[in-house]
Amino acid sequence: DVKVTQSSRYLVKRTGEKVFLECVQDMDHENMFWYRQDPGLGLRLIYFSYDVKMKEKGDIPEGYSVSREKKERFSLILESASTNQTSMYLCASSLPGMGENTGELFFGEGSRLTVL
Amino acid sequence: SQQGEEDPQALSIQEGENATMNCSYKTSINNLQWYRQNSGRGLVHLILIRSNEREKHSGRLRVTLDTSKKSSSLLITASRAADTASYFCATDYTPSYDKVIFGPGTSLSVIP
Repeated sequence: DVKVTQSSRYLVKRTGEKVFLECVQDMDHENMFWYRQDPGLGLRLIYFSYDVKMKEKGDIPEGYSVSREKKERFSLILESASTNQTSMYLCASSLPGMGENTGELFFGEGSRLTVL
Repeated sequence: SQQGEEDPQALSIQEGENATMNCSYKTSINNLQWYRQNSGRGLVHLILIRSNEREKHSGRLRVTLDTSKKSSSLLITASRAADTASYFCATDYTPSYDKVIFGPGTSLSVIP
């Protein structure tokens, strides 16, 4: 089974702190994603990576950066955390969606971040 | 901006009834997917339908796609209390096959 592991289920940070959220997948997937989920807003795409060192902005990249130095690991970085970044963060991975590949996303269990 | 919008936002039904959720999207797509999320957990893939398909079945799930109306529906037949969850539609959009955008979801409650 595909496994997507997020390093922390719950984090509490203070305003202005630098925050790292780590995600590792074990199925050699090219694509990796970071979403944030807020009540009533569903999942919003922060960043998407389609290969090592390659990234593309999603709908809400402001205040976030990402790093993909190895294929299996995709990190989300909050350079200076703010209270409006309190949210559930979900990482996902997938094969490319063309041809026979389904493009199905496999999700981690989520990281609930609280910024005080 | 979000690509998909689900309707209704919340749905409450009795066990054994059918549940129908709808999704509308804005731009051309290659695929449309439906996911399920139990409270506080990650999302789980249910079914994918390609833009050249009109209907697809998987167990008690039936998905339809109308590309002319840019809409899809998910039907869960003979619902069970264990079907209680949030359901999301997700689309890629041409030319990218890989960037996947989700709608805000439908919260389904199945009452025993």
